[in-house]
Amino acid sequence: KNQVEQSPQSLIILEGKNCTLQCNYTVSPFSNLRWYKQDTGRGPVSLTIMTFSENTKSNGRYTATLDADTKQSSLHITASQLSDSASYICVVSGTGGGNKLTFGTGTQLKVEL
Amino acid sequence: NAGVTQTPKFQVLKTGQSMTLQCAQDMNHEYMSWYRQDPGMGLRLIHYSVGAGITDQGEVPNGYNVSRSTTEDFPLRLLSAAPSQTSVYFCASSYSIIVAGGPRLNEQFFGPGTRLTVL
Repeated sequence: KNQVEQSPQSLIILEGKNCTLQCNYTVSPFSNLRWYKQDTGRGPVSLTIMTFSENTKSNGRYTATLDADTKQSSLHITASQLSDSASYICVVSGTGGGNKLTFGTGTQLKVEL
Repeated sequence: NAGVTQTPKFQVLKTGQSMTLQCAQDMNHEYMSWYRQDPGMGLRLIHYSVGAGITDQGEVPNGYNVSRSTTEDFPLRLLSAAPSQTSVYFCASSYSIIVAGGPRLNEQFFGPGTRLTVL
C-alpha cells in the first residue's frame, strides 16, 4: 500500500532558527514528490516539486532534498519567521495521473518569539 | 486571476439534507479534483476530472456526485448528508505536461476550502 509518513508530527522553534522536516514514502512507481505549506484555515500552497532525477530544490528559505533510493525527502527551513507557522505536507505522486497522489498527514510547525 | 474559488466557506447541514459545493478556476486547467481533509489524516481524493465531460472516482467517492460540464466549474454534490461527511473540503486544479512514460500532473492549486458540519 502506498504510504507517506512525516516526522515529527509537530515542532516548536524560536524565530530565526533553522529546522528540518522529514518525509518517508513507499509509493511505487514514483513520479514526483511535492511539499506544500498549509496555513490554518487555508488551502495547501505548493513549495516545491521534485522528480526522480532531482535531489535538491530551493524556494527562498525553503530547501527540499530527495533521495529516491532510500525513498526519503526533507524540507529545510532557514532563518525561520513567524509566518512559517503552518502545516507542511509531503505529497508523493505515482505515475499515471491525477488519482495517484498520496498525502502525508503533515508536520505542524510553530515559530515563536 | 482569481485562481481556484470555492463557495460556501462554511455550511451546516442536517442529516439527510442535500447540497452542492461550488468550485471554479480561471486558469484553464484540465485537471480538477475534490479532496476532504479530516484531523489526523492526509487529504483524501473524492472525485476528479481530466477534462470537461470526464469524471472518475477517487479514494472515498461514496455519498458524493460530481459533474464537469465546463472546463471552469467542478461542483461536488452531497446527495443525503451524513455526520461522517463532516469535514473540510478542498477543490484543486492543475494542468498536465507530458513526459516520457505518460502524462503527469504539474503543481496543484487548491481553493480556500469549505468547512462542512453535518448534524
